[in-house]
Amino acid sequence: QVQLQESGPGLVKPSGTLSLTCAVSGGSISSNNWWSWVRQPPGKGLEWIGEIYHSGTTNYNPSLKSRVTISVDKSKNQFSLKLSSVTAADTAIYYCARVNSAYSDYWGQGILVTVSS
Amino acid sequence: DIQMTQSPSTLSAFVGDRVTITCRASQSISSWLAWYQQKPGKAPKLLIYKASSLESGVPSRFSGSGSGTEFTLTISSLQPDDFATYYCQQYNIYPYTFGQGTKLEIK
Repeated sequence: QVQLQESGPGLVKPSGTLSLTCAVSGGSISSNNWWSWVRQPPGKGLEWIGEIYHSGTTNYNPSLKSRVTISVDKSKNQFSLKLSSVTAADTAIYYCARVNSAYSDYWGQGILVTVSS
Repeated sequence: DIQMTQSPSTLSAFVGDRVTITCRASQSISSWLAWYQQKPGKAPKLLIYKASSLESGVPSRFSGSGSGTEFTLTISSLQPDDFATYYCQQYNIYPYTFGQGTKLEIK
């Protein structure tokens, strides 16, 4: 059973960079799947951030593209999210997920990241 | 971006009721639609993919239908565990987009 676990700072200062990692267990990040990030502001809906294949190929949401970088570390079986120039609007629960034929079948538990000074 | 609109936003129902949630896409997405269930404090859980395919382990009282721009999620007989928020997601065209959610409440 594939499991995903997000980790990273729960508090980021405005204008700083949000950095999160998603560790994958029970399966290889080099499998024929994409790996994605989705976020959810407290009490609101879901927003797709982007995804990565183990080759390093990425797709990003244009609304965030100028600030987002998703990368993969095959040696550690994990992938990461960096979001720069954050504001309070970036406060959200961030989820990582495995993508199976474009829909997400396995999700991490989520990590709340608050942007505040 | 493709806009996904769910209705209703909130739905109150009794245990045992049959309920239907609708999701409309702003343009055709063929059958590239998924449904997720989310409970408070938990990650979304995949229920249905490709509009009508039931994810392994999901009870058969859940079913999905539709194609093009109009889709439905039906729960044939509500169970106490089904009270949650439901989201549709299109994965036909980037960026993938979600509906705003339908909160299913106990009446």
